[in-house]
Amino acid sequence: DADVTQTPRNRITKTGKRIMLECSQTKGHDRMYWYRQDPGLGLRLIYYSFDVKDINKGEISDGYSVSRQAQAKFSLSLESAIPNQTALYFCATSAEGQVALSEQYFGPGTRLTVT
Amino acid sequence: AQKVTQAQTEISVVEKEDVTLDCVYETRDTTYYLFWYKQPPSGELVFLIRRNSFDEQNEISGRYSWNFQKSTSSFNFTITASQVVDSAVYFCALSGEDDKIIFGKGTRLHILP
Repeated sequence: DADVTQTPRNRITKTGKRIMLECSQTKGHDRMYWYRQDPGLGLRLIYYSFDVKDINKGEISDGYSVSRQAQAKFSLSLESAIPNQTALYFCATSAEGQVALSEQYFGPGTRLTVT
Repeated sequence: AQKVTQAQTEISVVEKEDVTLDCVYETRDTTYYLFWYKQPPSGELVFLIRRNSFDEQNEISGRYSWNFQKSTSSFNFTITASQVVDSAVYFCALSGEDDKIIFGKGTRLHILP
């Protein structure tokens, strides 16, 4: 079984709808991240959490919110989806300690389309 | 501010040719780390290598090699004797003392049979 799982893998939704993307990990890592990938723009950090009580905004947090329900679960919500949030979303985890010393493990990605 | 530049948006080479993917970074941190990730057509991100700022030794892993040069702020990736399975998007990334990773925009590599 995969160490980092994301649900759903694909989702098509309409403008204005609320949608939640879920991430679960079995690696026992404290740190979890949500990234967004757009063609030609690479990966950009949306939110990150260094433990259950710690949530931080990343580079592009506007329009998104997150919830760290447990060490193993980190959800990303779009309260009112808009078409420019159409993208590939990745969840990642890393062990405690300096991020750079800990390899980030990525989930398989969720392809979200907002019509 | 930290920045990673991958100037090559897309590269196509014929199978068995060598190819180098360029990565130039900017940081004011003394301690930092550089990474390469591979994203094959299936979409997942695969970690390839991590290098810290104090270790300028080149690294070779099979057909892959990395050239880290602090003097030019570059961390280039070379694939020797390329194969079709090397076709992917490759991302260079940087992590500094702020404990976050910044990714470049990626280079899409096509290996033609």
